[in-house]
Amino acid sequence: DIQMTQSPSSLSVSVGDRVTITCRASQAIGTYLNWYQQKPGKAPKPLIYAASSLSSGVPSRFSGSGSGTDFTLTISSLQPEDFATYYCQQSYSTRTFGQGTKVEVK
Amino acid sequence: QVQLQESGPGLVKPSQTLSLTCSVSGGSINSNDYYWTWIRQPPGKGLEWIGYIYYNGRTYYNPSLKNRITISLDTPKNQFSLRLNSVAAADTAVYYCAGDLVAAGKYCIDYWGQGTLVSVSS
Repeated sequence: DIQMTQSPSSLSVSVGDRVTITCRASQAIGTYLNWYQQKPGKAPKPLIYAASSLSSGVPSRFSGSGSGTDFTLTISSLQPEDFATYYCQQSYSTRTFGQGTKVEVK
Repeated sequence: QVQLQESGPGLVKPSQTLSLTCSVSGGSINSNDYYWTWIRQPPGKGLEWIGYIYYNGRTYYNPSLKNRITISLDTPKNQFSLRLNSVAAADTAVYYCAGDLVAAGKYCIDYWGQGTLVSVSS
């Protein structure tokens, strides 16, 4: 099985901050890496697919990069609506999620 | 726009079988564009992929659950289902059905149901 490890597990930030979340796969997965945003009580929402492509309707302040085993989600200037939990997920071999990164108010 | 809706009991007794159904609208279960997927999330914890089924009936399961789960299609009703045997308290979670888009190079879970909480308790 492919394991996905996210860091950090939580992050305390302020509006306007640049936020970076990393995700590491236990083996090379090319660019078969997706990112999701989840708010309390809601289903996750797709943000980024294929490591760096923005899902429909997602603001351009979100970006993704990486290939192989190391990936990054960046929020260039955090907005109030971005406080949430973020998950990476590999789609190279069946599916596995990272453990999540909670972005909280500082 | 594909929409999904989970249905099933909200409470299951230990050792019994959890059964959930996902109704799909705005898209066909017969489409080869999607893996029809189940995901769960224990209260306060992260997401766990359970498994998916393709339009041709081929299934792929999480190895940690493989011996206890069955995912099946009901094509006439445009639904797919999850059965999880021998449940325990650790199976208490919000269960999501979802559409994993495998067309146009995406391989991303584009469509999610709202989720349904299933509690395992006597």
